[in-house]
Amino acid sequence: SAVISQKPSRDICQRGTSLTIQCQVDSQVTMMFWYRQQPGQSLTLIATANQGSEATYESGFVIDKFPISRPNLTFSTLTVSNMSPEDSSIYLCSVEKSPLNGANGYTFGSGTRLTVV
Amino acid sequence: GQSLEQPSEVTAVEGAIVQINCTYQTSGFYGLSWYQQHDGGAPTFLSYNALDGLEETGRFSSFLSRSDSYGYLLLQELQMKDSASYFCAVRDLGSNYQLIWGAGTKLIIKP
Repeated sequence: SAVISQKPSRDICQRGTSLTIQCQVDSQVTMMFWYRQQPGQSLTLIATANQGSEATYESGFVIDKFPISRPNLTFSTLTVSNMSPEDSSIYLCSVEKSPLNGANGYTFGSGTRLTVV
Repeated sequence: GQSLEQPSEVTAVEGAIVQINCTYQTSGFYGLSWYQQHDGGAPTFLSYNALDGLEETGRFSSFLSRSDSYGYLLLQELQMKDSASYFCAVRDLGSNYQLIWGAGTKLIIKP
């Protein structure tokens, strides 16, 4: 399955600032997914990033707050903008090795633990 | 609506067998997956069931009954390293094949 390098692994940021999270995949993938996870809770999909088109955002998430770039088939960034303490969470990127065939599952990056103070 | 239900916490003894259940309600179904997540780690894929029946992978097995909208993850010969959270997730045709995630089951293993 694919290997994803995600960075930074953690950061402590001041409110009002922005943080950009990067994910590099070792193979070309069509879709990349960005999730948010509060400690001890489930995963919430933020958006799906396709190369060459705008990301598709889930309900409750907007492009102005979480702009996403997908310049090629192996790389994506998620920016958390104008941060507030409510944005403190773990952010994860993910890819599916075999689209529309779940047999190989999703692979996740190691996550970015964000604390906003 | 779309929902998956699984127990919030299960406790078992090292060496024993434990079953984690998952019931789902989705607008479309394209398969049930299980993921393991250790504290501070990322989710890792364990198994996938698209058809009814049992899939076995080493100490872990996963079962699906589409008619009952039900599945389970069976962990045998429990080891302390199996202490983690386990998530079931359904691929939902009604959500463009996106994964719908359960809330997760925290498995506590006692020696």
